[in-house]
Amino acid sequence: EAGVAQSPRYKIIEKRQSVAFWCNPISGHATLYWYQQILGQGPKLLIQFQNNGVVDDSQLPKDRFSAERLKGVDSTLKIQPAKLEDSAVYLCASSFNLIPLDTQYFGPGTRLTVL
Amino acid sequence: DAKTTQPNSMESNEEEPVHLPCNHSTISGTDYIHWYRQLPSQGPEYVIHGLTSNVNNRMASLAIAEDRKSSTLILHRATLRDAAVYYCILRAHNNNDMRFGAGTRLTVKP
Repeated sequence: EAGVAQSPRYKIIEKRQSVAFWCNPISGHATLYWYQQILGQGPKLLIQFQNNGVVDDSQLPKDRFSAERLKGVDSTLKIQPAKLEDSAVYLCASSFNLIPLDTQYFGPGTRLTVL
Repeated sequence: DAKTTQPNSMESNEEEPVHLPCNHSTISGTDYIHWYRQLPSQGPEYVIHGLTSNVNNRMASLAIAEDRKSSTLILHRATLRDAAVYYCILRAHNNNDMRFGAGTRLTVKP
């Protein structure tokens, strides 16, 4: 079974530039998550989709971050404009269903460096 | 939200058992205890979870205190590939939120 795919794996940009990350979840998984992981910390949930609808985006900085999941499969996370403090690993995860105890499967992440 | 407390780091020798502790004194009766681990340069992966009884699977064992205020993840024979950050997470039965702390960084020495 193929895992969660993410691209790119690494990205370096200058502050005030824009960047986008892509995620392809495990086939058949209805729920998709984006996390931000700052160096030395655990992942922090940014947004959660159920199919193509947003379930929770309470921790997403909406003035600069946006995410979409068209057709309920792939998802993109965008930052515009980027700030230095956005340097982090962005992790995508998916689960079969939106039940509280469902296992989340994580991709390898995209490491973003903002200069 | 109920919080967990874990040591920042632990060391183990290869092929010896490892006991990773987690304190969760404010756990509610319906919170499940989950463990995930994150290998270097990878995303977290599921290890094990439990509610009240001790649990075993092919990766590890989970020992839960009788009052549920603490738990211990047990790796029976640590290998170099078990070097990772281990996260203890409480998940409410009616909430899909999964809040990670800083976890315990496990170093395995050959």
